Amino acid sequence: DQQVKQNSPSLSVQEGRISILNCDYTNSMFDYFLWYKKYPAEGPTFLISISSIKDKNEDGRFTVFLNKSAKHLSLHIVPSQPGDSAVYFCAASEGSSNTGKLIFGQGTTLQVKP
Amino acid sequence: EPEVTQTPSHQVTQMGQEVILRCVPISNHLYFYWYRQILGQKVEFLVSFYNNEISEKSEIFDDQFSVERPDGSNFTLKIRSTKLEDSAMYFCASTRQGINQPQHFGDGTRLSIL
Repeated sequence: DQQVKQNSPSLSVQEGRISILNCDYTNSMFDYFLWYKKYPAEGPTFLISISSIKDKNEDGRFTVFLNKSAKHLSLHIVPSQPGDSAVYFCAASEGSSNTGKLIFGQGTTLQVKP
Repeated sequence: EPEVTQTPSHQVTQMGQEVILRCVPISNHLYFYWYRQILGQKVEFLVSFYNNEISEKSEIFDDQFSVERPDGSNFTLKIRSTKLEDSAMYFCASTRQGINQPQHFGDGTRLSIL
């Protein structure tokens, strides 16, 4: 049951350019969305989140966009840096569950080339 | 910055043996979680824990699994009789409130069942 999907397993961009990572979901009850970054041998590190009452949230170089009608969110990284090279996971949760359980996508491996 | 810590980083166990994975969540957090990631697959929710009881568990979390908060700081996951398919990375996470807040993850325990 793939409620959260990241259809691109990998993405390669040049340093200084924009990285755009995409995520689709099927469960209309999801109302909180997050992006995590993961380096090898480490746990997921929280990057940015967005509530379903918003369509955009920005934090420094990272911006998350939410399109509820399309059930789609994206993460923009501008400008991309070599240190951004990692696996990026989108995740979603239902406020009605009261537990905050996260459903993850499969991840997208981002490579930023110097 | 406070962190979630997990021990051991790698656990090798014979099939059929019991294993206990340990986590120290962030000190003022109230909600605790276990997730696992089988090699090459998604991060999957196992169980959430609040107020000294399980608040939600997944289908994966069968009678072989249990969680406990034996004192004010530790949160443990026990697998009573391990199977080969239990081999995975196990991540502990915590958050101050259960919903609409990012979960903070530890670096995981790699469990290898022989």
